[in-house]
Amino acid sequence: SAVISQKPSRDICQRGTSLTIQCQVDSQVTMMFWYRQQPGQSLTLIATANQGSEATYESGFVIDKFPISRPNLTFSTLTVSNMSPEDSSIYLCSVGGLGANYGYTFGSGTRLTVV
Amino acid sequence: DAKTTQPPSMDCAEGRAANLPCNHSTISGNEYVYWYRQIHSQGPQYIIHGLKNNETNEMASLIITEDRKSSTLILPHATLRDTAVYYCIVRGRNKLVFGAGTILRVKS
Repeated sequence: SAVISQKPSRDICQRGTSLTIQCQVDSQVTMMFWYRQQPGQSLTLIATANQGSEATYESGFVIDKFPISRPNLTFSTLTVSNMSPEDSSIYLCSVGGLGANYGYTFGSGTRLTVV
Repeated sequence: DAKTTQPPSMDCAEGRAANLPCNHSTISGNEYVYWYRQIHSQGPQYIIHGLKNNETNEMASLIITEDRKSSTLILPHATLRDTAVYYCIVRGRNKLVFGAGTILRVKS
């Protein structure tokens, strides 16, 4: 399975600023996703990162708040913009192949605290 | 994607089998059942998946009922390191949607 490197692993940021999280995969992958996990909660899918086109966002998430880039098949970034304390969460990158018979691999996550 | 229902928590004695149930009564014919687990402060870890047949790997076994409306994940000899949140996910399209999961506590 693919190996994911996610950076930074954690950060403490001031409200009103932005943070860009990087997800690097050791092999080309078809599907890349970004999730948020708020404290004590399950994972919520933010968006599907599409190579060469705009990301597909889930209900409740918008591009202005969570801009995503995916310039190639091994790399993606998620930016958390204009942060508030409510954005304090773990953000996770996930990758996988097409079709329902493929498992997805998850990165170790970025633990973000907004103060 | 079909919704899944899992008990919020379960306890298991160390060395015994842990049987984690999942209900997915609205599953459709081409949707797979996936199981992941998340140990505290780590990303979710893939365990096993299946369509209609029972599956076994080095981590666990997956038993899917004949009507596919429910399944059970079996950890044959639970250890303290198996304490985690276990997620049962029905996947039809190309994304995983997580429910609340089951907190499994393995106790010595």
